[in-house]
Amino acid sequence: EPEVTQTPSHQVTQMGQEVILRCVPISNHLYFYWYRQILGQKVEFLVSFYNNEISEKSEIFDDQFSVERPDGSNFTLKIRSTKLEDSAMYFCASSILQATSAHTFGSGTRLTVV
Amino acid sequence: DAKTTQPNSMESNEEEPVHLPCNHSTISGTDYIHWYRQLPSQGPEYVIHGLTSNVNNRMASLAIAEDRKSSTLILHRATLRDAAVYYCILRDLKRGQAGTALIFGKGTTLSVSS
Repeated sequence: EPEVTQTPSHQVTQMGQEVILRCVPISNHLYFYWYRQILGQKVEFLVSFYNNEISEKSEIFDDQFSVERPDGSNFTLKIRSTKLEDSAMYFCASSILQATSAHTFGSGTRLTVV
Repeated sequence: DAKTTQPNSMESNEEEPVHLPCNHSTISGTDYIHWYRQLPSQGPEYVIHGLTSNVNNRMASLAIAEDRKSSTLILHRATLRDAAVYYCILRDLKRGQAGTALIFGKGTTLSVSS
């Protein structure tokens, strides 16, 4: 069964450093997403991406965040200057269509900011 | 997005059916009802979705009330592997391309005993 692949599985970074989280969505999917889950809390939507541009973003997705599809397979989330409160699981997801189709999620990247 | 209400937790025994309820009294005519689950230390996983009619797939069944103000996810024979947090989510097809995000609540934590 096709999978969404995320790397690395765990990343530790110092406060103020830039991090890039990487995702390989399912090859025939058109919509790409990032979500995060702070330990013990709800899964929160960050951003959706379609046709090489952001289609929707939440209030969490401020200027320190950016997304990119640098080539035909990767989808990245960059956090420019990490803060302690950015520590969370970050999940990438992809889907074929919009509201009616399922998201397929990756296993996540655990980001720890120290 | 319309709001859903789910019990915080439920318990089940292995090999017994489980009925997970969800109330969505403010659902609109264009809202699809989606169910996802999140196993411990994993990303969310799509389970099933529907609009008006009951739906079945290999994982579960979805029973939708005639007035669409509530729905029930049915696991026909619970296994230990079904222990997870189950999320009932409404997605508005009318929002089109912008309406692609999944908005997660706290869900129902299902415990399965052997």
